Amino acid sequence: SQKIEQNSEALNIQEGKTATLTCNYTNYSPAYLQWYRQDPGRGPVFLLLIRENEKEKRKERLKVTFDTTLKQSLFHITASQPADSATYLCAPSNTGKLIFGQGTTLQVKP
Amino acid sequence: GAVVSQHPSRVICKSGTSVKIECRSLDFQATTMFWYRQFPKKSLMLMATSNEGSKATYEQGVEKDKFLINHASLTLSTLTVTSAHPEDSSFYICSAREGTDDYGYTFGSGTRLTVV
Repeated sequence: SQKIEQNSEALNIQEGKTATLTCNYTNYSPAYLQWYRQDPGRGPVFLLLIRENEKEKRKERLKVTFDTTLKQSLFHITASQPADSATYLCAPSNTGKLIFGQGTTLQVKP
Repeated sequence: GAVVSQHPSRVICKSGTSVKIECRSLDFQATTMFWYRQFPKKSLMLMATSNEGSKATYEQGVEKDKFLINHASLTLSTLTVTSAHPEDSSFYICSAREGTDDYGYTFGSGTRLTVV
């Protein structure tokens, strides 16, 4: 069955550093992969989408890579800020419905 | 940008009663909406796909008679938790997509249901 794995341990980094989050998937080949941010008690917010034929995508301080051979996506936040502290969810997909990984909680300390 | 409004944000109900949660796309039409459930410190679990004008598609293990979904118009989907029990207490979130994949999905702000 399809499986999506994100590092369940919280990631703690210092302000100004680059945060790197990992999303691994098995038993399927998604045509695209999305990343979302979720704050406590709120719904997720869309950040970026990357397609299988794209190696890398950027948006402001965010960068996403998609390696279909490794079945992995990396999500980078450069020059991290305390306001970036949240849970980040990945969703590799082939169809219209989104199935999420368990999310990685990022804590950026000032 | 696209906005999805979810109501109510919080609800407390007694065991055995039913609760209705509304999900509206405010500035776009959504032929398909999705309903998720989230337990504390866990990820979102897709419950069902709501299709305008037809029956919802439920994920494996989700009770259709417990979680009634109605998508009566292009901007409104409702989730009714019937005969609620304490184990139904959870955070329920809906989502919809405007346009193409590149815009991602827009989520409602969620409904915290507590059954006492």
